[in-house]
Amino acid sequence: DAGVIQSPRHEVTEMGQEVTLRCKPISGHNSLFWYRQTMMRGLELLIYFNNNVPIDDSGMPEDRFSAKMPNASFSTLKIQPSEPRDSAVYFCASSQQGSRIWNTEAFFGQGTRLTVV
Amino acid sequence: AQSVTQLDSHVSVSEGTPVLLRCNYSSSYSPSLFWYVQHPNKGLQLLLKYTSAATLVKGINGFEAEFKKSETSFHLTKPSAHMSDAAEYFCVVSRLFYNQGGKLIFGQGTELSVKP
Repeated sequence: DAGVIQSPRHEVTEMGQEVTLRCKPISGHNSLFWYRQTMMRGLELLIYFNNNVPIDDSGMPEDRFSAKMPNASFSTLKIQPSEPRDSAVYFCASSQQGSRIWNTEAFFGQGTRLTVV
Repeated sequence: AQSVTQLDSHVSVSEGTPVLLRCNYSSSYSPSLFWYVQHPNKGLQLLLKYTSAATLVKGINGFEAEFKKSETSFHLTKPSAHMSDAAEYFCVVSRLFYNQGGKLIFGQGTELSVKP
């Protein structure tokens, strides 16, 4: 398996523009996570999907952020409009979890480095 | 609620000397704990995990960690540091959502420097 695939790897955009980050989880995994990493705040969980359903989106900063998982093999994280403070590395991760296997590890993608100028 | 605290933001060791990265956890039930490593400009890689099978857990690259319930600790150790160990290390606890899997809660990270 190729692992978790994120695109693009780098994104530079102007303030106010819409940004869409993409993630393809590992085949067969049923849980998907979006994290944001900054120097100030470290790694923050933004949203967590289980079987394509958002379970916990309490980490989504504000309404400018939205995430979707239309099927088991694809997810997007959208920022509209983008602001300079959104600059960060965004990671997608996936795992195989259920009621009795909740202790399995998550596999991370290489991340998308977003710069909003 | 589940959380982890990494006691050192930065640790510096000399090559060939032991490594100790400290982590305390808080959990209302028996936790699952993980250590991840992140090399510069890279993604995160699992080093090891504890899931109640054995208190001493061995991971990749010679790292191991011991789960101590009485101390609520899960410290990461390695007998002899190598230059390639220089990276950021994250202690992680899994928070369970009933019948809906679990999410990983990350500590703030410890940056490990290895001097020649």
